[in-house]
Amino acid sequence: QSVLTQPPSVSAAPGQKVTISCSGTNSNIGKNYVSWYQQLPGTAPKLLIYDNDKRPSGIPDRFSASKSGTSATLGITGLQTGDEADYYCGTWDSSLSGVVFGGGTKLTVL
Amino acid sequence: QVQLVQSGAEVKKPGASVKVSCKAPGNTFISHYMHWARQAPGQGLEWMGTMNPSDGSTTYAQKFQGRVTMTRDTSTSTVYMELSSLRSEDTAVYYCARDRGLGFLEWSFDPWGQGTLVTVSS
Repeated sequence: QSVLTQPPSVSAAPGQKVTISCSGTNSNIGKNYVSWYQQLPGTAPKLLIYDNDKRPSGIPDRFSASKSGTSATLGITGLQTGDEADYYCGTWDSSLSGVVFGGGTKLTVL
Repeated sequence: QVQLVQSGAEVKKPGASVKVSCKAPGNTFISHYMHWARQAPGQGLEWMGTMNPSDGSTTYAQKFQGRVTMTRDTSTSTVYMELSSLRSEDTAVYYCARDRGLGFLEWSFDPWGQGTLVTVSS
């Protein structure tokens, strides 16, 4: 049981847009920055978003994110088959004194 | 392109210990905190702890306190994670990851090492 709650799976057609939610509490998302990671099959995770909504260099602007209260959302536009991956949200939890992750969301591009 | 290079796969018996290494770029080694996380087969990510390579100070996740030890060798720009009293539930891919913050903790991880599979089996 993960501290942050994500939908197990989402799907959409190529070229479409999808959103992935991440729900937490006041001790984690509510007071700390959220990061998002992409894990392609068989590879290590890769940072997509940091500080709630900032993209590292090299990450296309098709990827965006936002945070409101105790929830965060990752959005991907112009879906490509290469976007098929597991996506994780993560943040610091002030009560647990540790980093917590969501359970991951598997994106299928139909 | 910053790369973290981890040691190879390990097979251990229950009750044993495993030590995984992670080599980072030398020029920025002491400037970024290093984290360890793991991923059991078919499961999500689990954070284990972090180390400040500058002074060797560590913070461990409550779940692993007493069983995990993170160390570093500044002469080779390498960090180590040792997990003791292994059990079958510790079978996982173990990752090192660098914190984005320069001299402080930002709690976002970039980049990640390639991962090290640790299998615990009798």
